[in-house]
Amino acid sequence: AQTIHQWPVAEIKAVGSPLSLGCTIKGKSSPNLYWYWQATGGTLQQLFYSITVGQVESVVQLNLSASRPKDDQFILSTEKLLLSHSGFYLCAWSPGQIFSNERLFFGHGTKLSVL
Amino acid sequence: GDSVTQTEGQVALSEEDFLTIHCNYSASGYPALFWYVQYPGEGPQFLFRASRDKEKGSSRGFEATYDKGTTSFHLRKASVQESDSAVYYCALNSGGSNAKLTFGKGTKLSVKS
Repeated sequence: AQTIHQWPVAEIKAVGSPLSLGCTIKGKSSPNLYWYWQATGGTLQQLFYSITVGQVESVVQLNLSASRPKDDQFILSTEKLLLSHSGFYLCAWSPGQIFSNERLFFGHGTKLSVL
Repeated sequence: GDSVTQTEGQVALSEEDFLTIHCNYSASGYPALFWYVQYPGEGPQFLFRASRDKEKGSSRGFEATYDKGTTSFHLRKASVQESDSAVYYCALNSGGSNAKLTFGKGTKLSVKS
């Protein structure tokens, strides 16, 4: 069975400090990987997606970056946090072939508070 | 661009009540439509999907029918339970290489016993 693990579970960071969030998928080779952001009480917005190692596409510009250093790992980062970065960050994966009716499997998320 | 509108921001019901959460979409062609459920502190979980007109999706007693004529995918359940309390998201995927899901704003369902 496939599992998705996100770390850390929660972070409290200062404005201007760096950030690194991670996500690992086990039990599935070459998954498509995604980062979503959810403002408190808000909807989910796709930030990045990756189809293969070393290849990441940006969907929206939020002064964040993402990398996929390994087949099963997806990293979200920034050098300088803004107050607007606060929220819930969700990693997700989908099976290797891209179809329009694919379901996504989400991790449990990381709650980020920027003060 | 694609969009999903959920009319109700919050719904409060008693156990065994009938549930309807309205979802309307705007997209070209035949997008795939989804319902996801999110419990506090967790990521969304897939409920079900439908990909073509008149197709019905269902899971755990919830159901919705794809209606291209009214561009709707309303979520219904005949008898809700307290354990159904959660946030429900309608979403669509109009295809393309990034499998992007566009989510509605979500509807918070509270069920009291």
